[in-house]
Amino acid sequence: NAGVTQTPKFQVLKTGQSMTLQCAQDMNHEYMSWYRQDPGMGLRLIHYSVGAGITDQGEVPNGYNVSRSTTEDFPLRLLSAAPSQTSVYFCASRPTPGTAYEQYFGPGTRLTVT
Amino acid sequence: AQTVTQSQPEMSVQEAETVTLSCTYDTSESDYYLFWYKQPPSRQMILVIRQEAYKQQNATENRFSVNFQKAAKSFSLKISDSQLGDAAMYFCAYRTANAGGTSYGKLTFGQGTILTVHP
Repeated sequence: NAGVTQTPKFQVLKTGQSMTLQCAQDMNHEYMSWYRQDPGMGLRLIHYSVGAGITDQGEVPNGYNVSRSTTEDFPLRLLSAAPSQTSVYFCASRPTPGTAYEQYFGPGTRLTVT
Repeated sequence: AQTVTQSQPEMSVQEAETVTLSCTYDTSESDYYLFWYKQPPSRQMILVIRQEAYKQQNATENRFSVNFQKAAKSFSLKISDSQLGDAAMYFCAYRTANAGGTSYGKLTFGQGTILTVHP
């Protein structure tokens, strides 16, 4: 198993550009989520999905879109990048919501918006 | 809404000594999970230890143990015999055990504590 993979590892964008952060898992996990990590604020939930075709907003969803067409993939789209979206982004997955299983995190994507 | 607070932005310890990282949380729920995650410079989030709120016994994993005080809403991490490889950012996190509601599956993180280990 590759676990949770994220691409790219690093990205620099100009204000107003769009891009998609890719996330994939090969563990057949139902639950997937996106977090952003900012200094002094820990990780905050952007969007999550409890299964293919089902997504919902987290704590800081503005400026981000998601979709979940397959169990394996959960891409995060930035439609018009802003400097406030400079952050490290983590994708995570977990087998079944509501159980004690911990989340498995991807290696993260460091995004800089200039 | 649940909140998690780590009041120690930075801690340091001598190699082979013991250090305790503090975490407090606020919730109105009775059933939940608490976690400590380690984030080394590689950025990878690594689960260190997990505690289920309905269990009174404190969780332990080798050199890592917790002091879970449910009434005080406190969840500290003790690292014994500290090693250079323990140097990292440590995050405390909370997750509800309730299957319904908008918090379903969400991890709420504290701000993090940077641990430095001196040789």
